[in-house]
Amino acid sequence: DIQMTQSPASLSASLGETVTIECRASEDIYSNLAWYQQKPGNSPQLLIYDANSLADGVPSRFSGSGSGTQYSLKINSLQSEDVASYFCQQYNNYPWTFGGGTKLELK
Amino acid sequence: QVQLKETGPGLVQPTQTLSITCTVSGFSLTSYYMQWVRQTPGKGLEWMGFIRSGGSTEYNSEFKSRLSISRDTSKNQVFLKMNSLKTEDTGVYYCARDPLMGFFDYWGQGVMVTVSS
Repeated sequence: DIQMTQSPASLSASLGETVTIECRASEDIYSNLAWYQQKPGNSPQLLIYDANSLADGVPSRFSGSGSGTQYSLKINSLQSEDVASYFCQQYNNYPWTFGGGTKLELK
Repeated sequence: QVQLKETGPGLVQPTQTLSITCTVSGFSLTSYYMQWVRQTPGKGLEWMGFIRSGGSTEYNSEFKSRLSISRDTSKNQVFLKMNSLKTEDTGVYYCARDPLMGFFDYWGQGVMVTVSS
């Protein structure tokens, strides 16, 4: 199975700040990577797919990048509604696997 | 608009079988894959398996021996059945839509399942 390692596990940032979350795969996943946002008590919501494509309705302050085994999610100009947990997911090889998550809080 | 809703028992006894129904609206099950994902305290988000638009299935080997996914397209419903439940199976179970790509563009609200005697 492909292991997905996210860092950091938790993050505290100020409003307006730029935040970056990393995801490392245990082998090349050829950009078959998605990012999800999960607010407390809610189901995950798709933010990014194919490593850098923005899902419908997602604000442009979210962006994804990376290739091979290293990927990142960037949030520009952090807003209060961005407080959530963020997960990466690879869909290059079965079984699809998720990262352990990054909990983003406001400083 | 696209909607997915899971229904199932809140409490299941160990060794028993879990049955969850996902009822969808706003799209056709014959045009999308339907995925099942669970979120447990011990392992976080885990992909369980899916049913393709054509009706074939794919399972995570972690669950393969005890998991079954099926559907009734006439009722716009997808079904998850998992037997031999253990306390570690306690968690939230989600159905999600997959646009034939491997990622999940719409999720249900989830159903909390507690495995306990």
